[in-house]
Amino acid sequence: GAGVSQSPSNKVTEKGKDVELRCDPISGHTALYWYRQRLGQGLEFLIYFQGNSAPDKSGLPSDRFSAERTGESVSTLTIQRTQQEDSAVYLCASSFSPRTGGFLLANYGYTFGSGTRLTVV
Amino acid sequence: AQTVTQSQPEMSVQEAETVTLSCTYDTSESDYYLFWYKQPPSRQMILVIRQEAYKQQNATENRFSVNFQKAAKSFSLKISDSQLGDAAMYFCAYRSAKWNQGAQKLVFGQGTRLTINP
Repeated sequence: GAGVSQSPSNKVTEKGKDVELRCDPISGHTALYWYRQRLGQGLEFLIYFQGNSAPDKSGLPSDRFSAERTGESVSTLTIQRTQQEDSAVYLCASSFSPRTGGFLLANYGYTFGSGTRLTVV
Repeated sequence: AQTVTQSQPEMSVQEAETVTLSCTYDTSESDYYLFWYKQPPSRQMILVIRQEAYKQQNATENRFSVNFQKAAKSFSLKISDSQLGDAAMYFCAYRSAKWNQGAQKLVFGQGTRLTINP
């Protein structure tokens, strides 16, 4: 697609429910990132995908958070048993980061989606 | 770990005037990239300007320029001839220039909300 698409745009859920957030990266972008932005705060890194593997998941705040990616396409961020502190905007970004033999050749910058605003009540 | 600090939660400027947003960062690395992103109410992060640490020359993009002071670990953004459309949250960000997979993420500051007064 022309840009990074995230769905839903807004999500209100009850405490304790599970939610799935979706990110459609730009076609051909090998790398995909998830960030969390709490109200009035900067972006916190959650996880990075290169292809369908996640070499850096150091930002996931707890085992209630998980993410997967299908090939170099769609990614889903799942939050289980949501808590009120999970309320935030979840932003996805993608970039073209070609690799060969496990070595990164370049990173051509990031394109962000418009995020999903999650509200846990 | 790298950190990015923006000490000005809010700034305001008259239309057509010049404003400077501050950013400092902490790193032990010698090679890295620095960015300024703009976030309007649409929430999408828009790249404003980028600086490679190995370049001594300050980056410029039309009305936007930076003052990069590597020794002081300072990276300020100057917006000249401010326009109403410049109103947004501005974030400073850092990324390592290392090629290992753990170094690909952006580290963001807390942001500065810029208001343009007509």
